Amino acid sequence: NAGVTQTPKFQVLKTGQSMTLQCAQDMNHEYMSWYRQDPGMGLRLIHYSVGAGITDQGEVPNGYNVSRSTTEDFPLRLLSAAPSQTSVYFCASSSGTGTNTGELFFGEGSRLTVL
Amino acid sequence: GEDVEQSLFLSVREGDSSVINCTYTDSSSTYLYWYKQEPGAGLQLLTYIFSNMDMKQDQRLTVLLNKKDKHLSLRIADTQTGDSAIYFCAEKSFGGYQKVTFGTGTKLQVIP
Repeated sequence: NAGVTQTPKFQVLKTGQSMTLQCAQDMNHEYMSWYRQDPGMGLRLIHYSVGAGITDQGEVPNGYNVSRSTTEDFPLRLLSAAPSQTSVYFCASSSGTGTNTGELFFGEGSRLTVL
Repeated sequence: GEDVEQSLFLSVREGDSSVINCTYTDSSSTYLYWYKQEPGAGLQLLTYIFSNMDMKQDQRLTVLLNKKDKHLSLRIADTQTGDSAIYFCAEKSFGGYQKVTFGTGTKLQVIP
């Protein structure tokens, strides 16, 4: 069972460069989201999607773009990387149907360093 | 907006009980969760409690919910070195999508 797959696991960027973090899930989940994890700040929601073609901003969306062209994929784009975006990024998905518990399934994370 | 707070660090001796505490502000929370993060890994759901429950027990884990005080706790009985991890409290707001707010995480260190 693959679950939620994130790539790359590690990336180093220079300030101003752009890149895309990939996220794919094989559980047919409607809901997908991106979080960033910083020391002492827990997980903060960047963007989320409740289905293909629908995205919305979370708590810290500035500097990031997302799209959801398929149910399976939810890439996160950094348009012009800044040192403040150095973080560990997690993609998570959840089934949005019925009276489910809302359990989030997480990828293993992508550690990004911006120099 | 919603806020979830936890202490950052807890150290216990192997075999003792661990109690990790959490406070939240959203009175419309439907589910409250405890997630576990092992080093270098993503988060995994450890246990959850529905907001109309006071307590839930699952083997070595006991979750207590005081809805009046908006206080959630996780007790781990007979703590083992394998329990060393970061534990995140989280709450799901009532709403049309799965908006989940996480706390800062409590790093549990188990001393052999």
